[in-house]
Amino acid sequence: GQNIDQPTEMTATEGAIVQINCTYQTSGFNGLFWYQQHAGEAPTFLSYNVLDGLEEKGRFSSFLSRSKGYSYLLLKELQMKDSASYLCAVRANTGGFKTIFGAGTRLFVKA
Amino acid sequence: GAVVSQHPSRVICKSGTSVKIECRSLDFQATTMFWYRQFPKQSLMLMATSNEGSKATYEQGVEKDKFLINHASLTLSTLTVTSAHPEDSSFYICSARDLGGGVQETQYFGPGTRLLVL
Repeated sequence: GQNIDQPTEMTATEGAIVQINCTYQTSGFNGLFWYQQHAGEAPTFLSYNVLDGLEEKGRFSSFLSRSKGYSYLLLKELQMKDSASYLCAVRANTGGFKTIFGAGTRLFVKA
Repeated sequence: GAVVSQHPSRVICKSGTSVKIECRSLDFQATTMFWYRQFPKQSLMLMATSNEGSKATYEQGVEKDKFLINHASLTLSTLTVTSAHPEDSSFYICSARDLGGGVQETQYFGPGTRLLVL
């Protein structure tokens, strides 16, 4: 089966940098996604990593280490609107591709 | 970016009735769509994988006779909650994979359907 772990909650200050970690265990690994979800809304895509290394996209960066089963999402220059849940999701090919989500990390950005 | 729509966005129904939710990929073809359910303050739980032209694949613990999935075309999948009960009240979200042409494969989500069963 698959197992995805990420912290339940984090708090950070506006303008600062925050790193949200995700560890996973799966067979047939085929990529890792990060999504942002505001309360009552559907998730929106942030990043996709399938190879080791860092992917940078504006204020958001995502890192993957497949050998360690580890990823992080880095948010720079935090804004109040970044307060949301951040979902780590792993896609695996286990006789068919499917994407399983972690429980999500609720980020609170304070002034 | 690619767009996935869902209809209806919100539905209230009486216990025992059936509710159909549509998921459409608007500007790309999706041979595979996914249906998730999310309870308040919880993460998305994969219910089933919808495959165009074939039967859906259900996750363990999801009743296939209760949650009927039909993937009639490359742009439309439907989820029917049959004989709905209050415990089926949840946020149902569909997702589709866009495989077309990009460097990155992306999975896009619909806006979700909030179901309340009275």
